[in-house]
Amino acid sequence: GDSVTQTEGQVTVSESKSLIINCTYSATSIGYPNLFWYVRYPGEGLQLLLKVITAGQKGSSRGFEATYNKEATSFHLQKASVQESDSAVYYCALILTSGGNYKPTFGKGTSLVVHP
Amino acid sequence: GGIITQTPKFLIGQEGQKLTLKCQQNFNHDTMYWYRQDSGKGLRLIYYSITENDLQKGDLSEGYDASREKKSSFSLTVTSAQKNEMAVFLCASSIPGDANTGQLYFGEGSKLTVL
Repeated sequence: GDSVTQTEGQVTVSESKSLIINCTYSATSIGYPNLFWYVRYPGEGLQLLLKVITAGQKGSSRGFEATYNKEATSFHLQKASVQESDSAVYYCALILTSGGNYKPTFGKGTSLVVHP
Repeated sequence: GGIITQTPKFLIGQEGQKLTLKCQQNFNHDTMYWYRQDSGKGLRLIYYSITENDLQKGDLSEGYDASREKKSSFSLTVTSAQKNEMAVFLCASSIPGDANTGQLYFGEGSKLTVL
């Protein structure tokens, strides 16, 4: 089946330092993979951070970037300089389209803690 | 834009009790989902509904029932709540298929506590 593997557990980073949260995927079902990063800030609902639906393209939002690497089947999330307000739980997700697939696949989530 | 409303936001029940969570969306989306979110386990799909009156089991359907009475609403029932069961339940909706990226839109979540 389809799967998403991301950096597990908690990642602790000092403010202004760089960040990378790894995400790799395996898509065996019929359909074209679209890739997403969702984020859940404390006290808020799960919301879309960024998405990329074309291989080789980069998505960006709030200073975060992720590139859809079809060869490496990766979609790592990066930020050059994190802020305390970036502390949240981040989920990488794979959604297949064009194949009648209605079951998105999520990673287990990565809790980011940014220290001042 | 639209919104997904989950009720109640907090639900406290007794062991063995049947508990129901409700979800309403005004996106006019065809497909709706119920996920369970546990720390360290990510989002696990309980039930989903491709369209009105359709129901499909997810990976974690045992112990749950669901109902899609109309396009805008999707309910989830915990058939017999287990003690010490604490989790956040997330409702989501999307427009699947070629014309869309498949992006999911989520509600704010309902937190369940079983005493």
